[in-house]
Amino acid sequence: NAGVTQTPKFRVLKTGQSMTLLCAQDMNHEYMYWYRQDPGMGLRLIHYSVGEGTTAKGEVPDGYNVSRLKKQNFLLGLESAAPSQTSVYFCASTAARWAGVNEQYFGPGTRLTVT
Amino acid sequence: DAKTTQPPSMDCAEGRAANLPCNHSTISGNEYVYWYRQIHSQGPQYIIHGLKNNETNEMASLIITEDRKSSTLILPHATLRDTAVYYCIVYMYSGGGADGLTFGKGTHLIIQP
Repeated sequence: NAGVTQTPKFRVLKTGQSMTLLCAQDMNHEYMYWYRQDPGMGLRLIHYSVGEGTTAKGEVPDGYNVSRLKKQNFLLGLESAAPSQTSVYFCASTAARWAGVNEQYFGPGTRLTVT
Repeated sequence: DAKTTQPPSMDCAEGRAANLPCNHSTISGNEYVYWYRQIHSQGPQYIIHGLKNNETNEMASLIITEDRKSSTLILPHATLRDTAVYYCIVYMYSGGGADGLTFGKGTHLIIQP
């Protein structure tokens, strides 16, 4: 049981390049999330998904797109990378929840630098 | 979501209890208190959560004041591996939505040998 995995672990992009970050979970969780964390800051929600085929915007969605074609995978895309998108990206997942419970499982992160 | 206030950093001696405070004076009746921690360069890890009553699990204890305006996370016997940033989060289940968590800057707990 690997939990939540993220690919790649590190990436350097030039301004204007595109890339896709992959998140995979093997816990059959319904909900998945993408966060970003800038130095010295807490995590901020980019996009999330409540199930296969669904996506929604979080707090900081601009410049990113997402897709959830399979329940176990959640992809984060950067169409035209900018230096402001230099950050650590974390994926998380959680089971279908009952009231009050939101225990999220996080991946190890992807460190992205845009030059 | 209600905002939380935490001290930016704390020290604790190894083997002693670490008590991390959190102020959430504007919490509403149906909002839960969650604690996560993030060890350097890793993804956050869930610790514990509660609504009104005190809670305990294998990792920690959570003490919530009767008026629910503040709480304390207690690590009973801190080890060097407990050095991390600890986040206190107030969360309300809104039903239907996935509701990401709102992370502040947290408390950097340093366990001293």
